[in-house]
Amino acid sequence: NAGVTQTPKFQVLKTGQSMTLQCAQDMNHEYMSWYRQDPGMGLRLIHYSVGAGITDQGEVPNGYNVSRSTTEDFPLRLLSAAPSQTSVYFCASAPGITGWEEKLFFGSGTQLSVL
Amino acid sequence: GQQLNQSPQSMFIQEGEDVSMNCTSSSIFNTWLWYKQEPGEGPVLLIALYKAGELTSNGRLTAQFGITRKDSFLNISASIPSDVGIYFCAAPLQTGANNLFFGTGTRLTVIP
Repeated sequence: NAGVTQTPKFQVLKTGQSMTLQCAQDMNHEYMSWYRQDPGMGLRLIHYSVGAGITDQGEVPNGYNVSRSTTEDFPLRLLSAAPSQTSVYFCASAPGITGWEEKLFFGSGTQLSVL
Repeated sequence: GQQLNQSPQSMFIQEGEDVSMNCTSSSIFNTWLWYKQEPGEGPVLLIALYKAGELTSNGRLTAQFGITRKDSFLNISASIPSDVGIYFCAAPLQTGANNLFFGTGTRLTVIP
């Protein structure tokens, strides 16, 4: 079982370039989310989804877009990358919409550098 | 805004020593979670706490939900080299979903 799969593992972008970070889960989880991790700041929520076709903003959504066309996939798009978006990005999923914090599964992360 | 302050920020200990770390907030929470993150990996849940005063163990790890509901504590007994990593506390964001607010982390190094 793959669990939560994130690709790519590493990425380097130039300022202004666009890219999509992929996240897929094979556990039929309703809830998916994206976090970014910066040194000394812990993880911060970017966007989340409680089901196909439903997305909402987290703490730090600016500069990022998401969509949820299927239950399995939750891609994170950077339309015009900025150096401030250099970070490690984590995708997470859980079986239900709420009250499932204990069953939150994280992917292994994408390390993004924007030059 | 909300903040979860963890201390210490980092620890260097000898193998076999006990470890204590804590997490404090100005806000009240009804759930506290403790995660461990190893290099190149995502956080993995260690212990979940749901009741003020609750003391819960997971092997050599013990966590407590503070009486004021504004803090939580994690202890590791008889540390071993594989305890190395970053330990995070987390609590639910008030968004009605499984969204978490994470602390700043405690980086643990165990010297064999």
